[in-house]
Amino acid sequence: DAKTTQPNSMESNEEEPVHLPCNHSTISGTDYIHWYRQLPSQGPEYVIHGLTSNVNNRMASLAIAEDRKSSTLILHRATLRDAAVYYCILTYAGNMLTFGGGTRLMVKP
Amino acid sequence: NAGVTQTPKFQVLKTGQSMTLQCAQDMNHEYMSWYRQDPGMGLRLIHYSVGAGITDQGEVPNGYNVSRSTTEDFPLRLLSAAPSQTSVYFCASTAGTGNSPLHFGNGTRLTVT
Repeated sequence: DAKTTQPNSMESNEEEPVHLPCNHSTISGTDYIHWYRQLPSQGPEYVIHGLTSNVNNRMASLAIAEDRKSSTLILHRATLRDAAVYYCILTYAGNMLTFGGGTRLMVKP
Repeated sequence: NAGVTQTPKFQVLKTGQSMTLQCAQDMNHEYMSWYRQDPGMGLRLIHYSVGAGITDQGEVPNGYNVSRSTTEDFPLRLLSAAPSQTSVYFCASTAGTGNSPLHFGNGTRLTVT
């Protein structure tokens, strides 16, 4: 099964960009890369996903390496509300997703 | 637009008791799944379903049963609760294929004493 590796925690200052890295060296050709975030006492919330090309949406950008063995979630201007645990995950059994430990993002005012 | 609805929100059980956690979605999604999240940990996949009548095991299936008689509902049954099953349980659904996001419920916090 494809697995992901993320730093346990990262810190950022408010209103600065944040780059959250993820390694997935055993990714297969059909695996999509998904990012979710989880605020305290809530269920995970979808952020963004992609296959090969970089992706942008209203929440974030996703930069995918050419060899697809790593990706980076980019929050363009961190706010206090972005403090959460961010999970980088890959598809499993074609469609299900398995979660690793995630990165706890702390945002300082 | 309710999305994914889980009930109950909280539950306390005694060791050996059984119960069913309910999950319903109104998005006509084929794929549904159950995860558990222990304190300070990520989510682990318990069981999943790729359509009505079809279920399969995830990473940590022992002690849990599922069935999928309709597209909308995917209940999770604890047959004989154990303290090791104390956790927060999340249900999720997706339209399927890796190109579709997962939609999560708000979770059920279960304590087994």
